[in-house]
Amino acid sequence: AQSVTQLDSQVPVFEEAPVELRCNYSSSVSVYLFWYVQYPNQGLQLLLKYLSGSTLVKGINGFEAEFNKSQTSFHLRKPSVHISDTAEYFCAVSGQGAQKLVFGQGTRLTINP
Amino acid sequence: EAGVVQSPRYKIIEKKQPVAFWCNPISGHNTLYWYLQNLGQGPELLIRYENEEAVDDSQLPKDRFSAERLKGVDSTLKIQPAELGDSAVYLCASSLNRVSEQFFGPGTRLTVL
Repeated sequence: AQSVTQLDSQVPVFEEAPVELRCNYSSSVSVYLFWYVQYPNQGLQLLLKYLSGSTLVKGINGFEAEFNKSQTSFHLRKPSVHISDTAEYFCAVSGQGAQKLVFGQGTRLTINP
Repeated sequence: EAGVVQSPRYKIIEKKQPVAFWCNPISGHNTLYWYLQNLGQGPELLIRYENEEAVDDSQLPKDRFSAERLKGVDSTLKIQPAELGDSAVYLCASSLNRVSEQFFGPGTRLTVL
């Protein structure tokens, strides 16, 4: 079984500042890792995913994440945030070969002007 | 291409009443998922369909919840009777197959009074 811990429930940052949203996972098998974004009153949208290969994954809207197997982490980063990035961000994990996603509790990113 | 469609978007009912949610997946997507998202939490899988067959319903509270996916396309999730603790957002997602990216609908927000 897999589990995900998102270490920050809320992250406030100023516009154009960098941001990092932290995610740690636990699994007894090899995993796939995902970051989703949820805007108010909307469903989840895939930002990026790690399946294999390069540990640095680039996604939409200027976001990237790095898979660190030794630290069992998959932190999400953006070098300069915009007001429109205000949303809830979810890290998720699944065992390889299966799409049963296990989500973290989410991190609310708030961008201040 | 149309995304995953869910209706209604919002539903308010009295406890002990029945309620049903409808989901129309993306055309051609064989796998359909229903998730429960409690306030401030990540989504949790309730049931997964491969075409018409429910292949993972271990998290579905079968005493009051039921689901069906007739003809392997649209799906309905029902609660009867609803309890106060069922107040949440019910998300539907679909994917081409069990290992493909999941696309989420906007969800149905249920309030049980």
